[in-house]
Amino acid sequence: AQSVTQLDSHVSVSEGTPVLLRCNYSSSYSPSLFWYVQHPNKGLQLLLKYTSAATLVKGINGFEAEFKKSETSFHLTKPSAHMSDAAEYFCVVSPFYNQGGKLIFGQGTELSVKP
Amino acid sequence: DADVTQTPRNRITKTGKRIMLECSQTKGHDRMYWYRQDPGLGLQLIYYSFDVKDINKGEISDGYSVSRQAQAKFSLSLESAIPNQTALYFCATSVGNTQYFGPGTRLTVL
Repeated sequence: AQSVTQLDSHVSVSEGTPVLLRCNYSSSYSPSLFWYVQHPNKGLQLLLKYTSAATLVKGINGFEAEFKKSETSFHLTKPSAHMSDAAEYFCVVSPFYNQGGKLIFGQGTELSVKP
Repeated sequence: DADVTQTPRNRITKTGKRIMLECSQTKGHDRMYWYRQDPGLGLQLIYYSFDVKDINKGEISDGYSVSRQAQAKFSLSLESAIPNQTALYFCATSVGNTQYFGPGTRLTVL
């Protein structure tokens, strides 16, 4: 069975410091992995995706994520947080067989950025 | 202009009422989806459609129905709304396995 676990429900950082949002997945096969961001009262925006090419994936707004098969992890990082990064972040897996186009969502991590 | 639009953006209704949420897209994608989001639960799939003649149930389809009127339009209906259907509803389209989401409809059932 496929599953996604976001290890922190809430992360708080100071502006200008690094961001780390952790995600572990469970999959019998090589999945596609995504990070989406949801700002308050907004829809979900695709940050980045991994689809079995380079293991280090660069996304929008300075975010990147590294696929580590041995650790079944896909952590999201950013070198320097900005106030506008405050939002909820979802790690998402799409099984390789893409059953019905189904996405499996983590529970979300709320990122707070302090001045 | 947004590629995926949803109407209404907010709706308050009463138990037992019939409600329709609408989704339109200009991305030209064949695949469309309806999700609901509850706090702390991520998104759960209600229904999905691979083309106008193809409709499939998702994880939590009970109490919901859908209509795919055209490639660009996919509507979600609650035939008789109940309070535990209070949630944020998202429409999405996809190409390959990448999905693109609308802004959401916040529905409150009193």
